[in-house]
Amino acid sequence: NAGVTQTPKFRILKIGQSMTLQCTQDMNHNYMYWYRQDPGMGLKLIYYSVGAGITDKGEVPNGYNVSRSTTEDFPLRLELAAPSQTSVYFCASTDRGNSPLHFGNGTRLTVT
Amino acid sequence: QKEVEQDPGPLSVPEGAIVSLNCTYSNSAFQYFMWYRQYSRKGPELLMYTYSSGNKEDGRFTAQVDKSSKYISLFIRDSQPSDSATYLCAMSTGTGRRALTFGSGTRLQVQP
Repeated sequence: NAGVTQTPKFRILKIGQSMTLQCTQDMNHNYMYWYRQDPGMGLKLIYYSVGAGITDKGEVPNGYNVSRSTTEDFPLRLELAAPSQTSVYFCASTDRGNSPLHFGNGTRLTVT
Repeated sequence: QKEVEQDPGPLSVPEGAIVSLNCTYSNSAFQYFMWYRQYSRKGPELLMYTYSSGNKEDGRFTAQVDKSSKYISLFIRDSQPSDSATYLCAMSTGTGRRALTFGSGTRLQVQP
């Protein structure tokens, strides 16, 4: 059982480039989330989705976009990458809104 | 003021010690409380999950929630070097987007 799979594991971007961080879960979970983790800052919610076709902003959505065309996939798009987006990005999912989240192992992104 | 406060550590203890990790929070609407363990370069994994006030025990781990004081704790008995990790508290109101609000994490090092 793979759980939550994130790709790529690492990426270096130049300022102004764009990329998509992939997230797939095989647990048939409706709720999916994108968090970013900066040193000493905990995890901040970027975007979330409560089901296919439904997405909404979290605390720090600026500079990012998401889509949810299937239950399994929840990609995060970075347009015009900036150094402030250097972070570790985690995707998570759950089957019910009050159940604990299952996390992927993250994508480490550096923007230079 | 952060919604969830957690001492970042690092906390260094000898093997076999009892470890106490704590978080305070300001939002009285939080109902669900979790502790996640995060090893280096990995995603957070759920350790303990409690609803409302009270204690919960699982092996060497005990979670306590005191809603009147807005204070939660995680105790680790007979700590092992394999417990060395960052411990994140997380909480949720259980309504709305139902995303988790995280503390910044406490780094624990158990010395053999």
